[in-house]
Amino acid sequence: NAGVTQTPKFQVLKTGQSMTLQCAQDMNHEYMSWYRQDPGMGLRLIHYSVGAGITDQGEVPNGYNVSRSTTEDFPLRLLSAAPSQTSVYFCASSYSGASAYEQYFGPGTRLTVT
Amino acid sequence: TQLLEQSPQFLSIQEGENLTVYCNSSSVFSSLQWYRQEPGEGPVLLVTVVTGGEVKKLKRLTFQFGDARKDSSLHITAAQPGDTGLYLCAGSLTGTASKLTFGTGTRLQVTL
Repeated sequence: NAGVTQTPKFQVLKTGQSMTLQCAQDMNHEYMSWYRQDPGMGLRLIHYSVGAGITDQGEVPNGYNVSRSTTEDFPLRLLSAAPSQTSVYFCASSYSGASAYEQYFGPGTRLTVT
Repeated sequence: TQLLEQSPQFLSIQEGENLTVYCNSSSVFSSLQWYRQEPGEGPVLLVTVVTGGEVKKLKRLTFQFGDARKDSSLHITAAQPGDTGLYLCAGSLTGTASKLTFGTGTRLQVTL
């Protein structure tokens, strides 16, 4: 049981390049989310999904696209990278537990845009 | 404007000291969670509180949810170097249980 996996772990992009951050979970969780973490700002929600085929925007969605074709996978696409997207990106999955949607996080992808 | 404010932002203490971290908001949350994050890793869930006034204990960690469900605190007794990390609170607003709003974080360093 690998939990939540993310690839790559590190990435450097030039401004204007596109790329996809991969996220997969093997816990059969219905909910998946993408966050970015910047110094002094905690984690901010980019996009989330409540099930295969269903996605919605979070707090900071601009410049990012997502899709959810399977329960297991939730890739995050950067359409045209900008220096402001330099950050650490975390994918998380969750389920409707006894009391709340407790999140399980992947190890993160550290992205630098030059 | 940050929905969840944590204080203090940074805390450096010696082993054996006690400390309290606060998580405050003007909004009411249906539940609140605390996570700990170590460098280079994702956050790991410590506890979830859902009832106003609820107190939960996890070994030397005590978590409390405010009566009005707008604030929470984390108290660590006799801190150890292994407690070092970034502590994050996160809340679910009523009606949006699947979306979490995270606080700004408290970075704790415990030295020998």
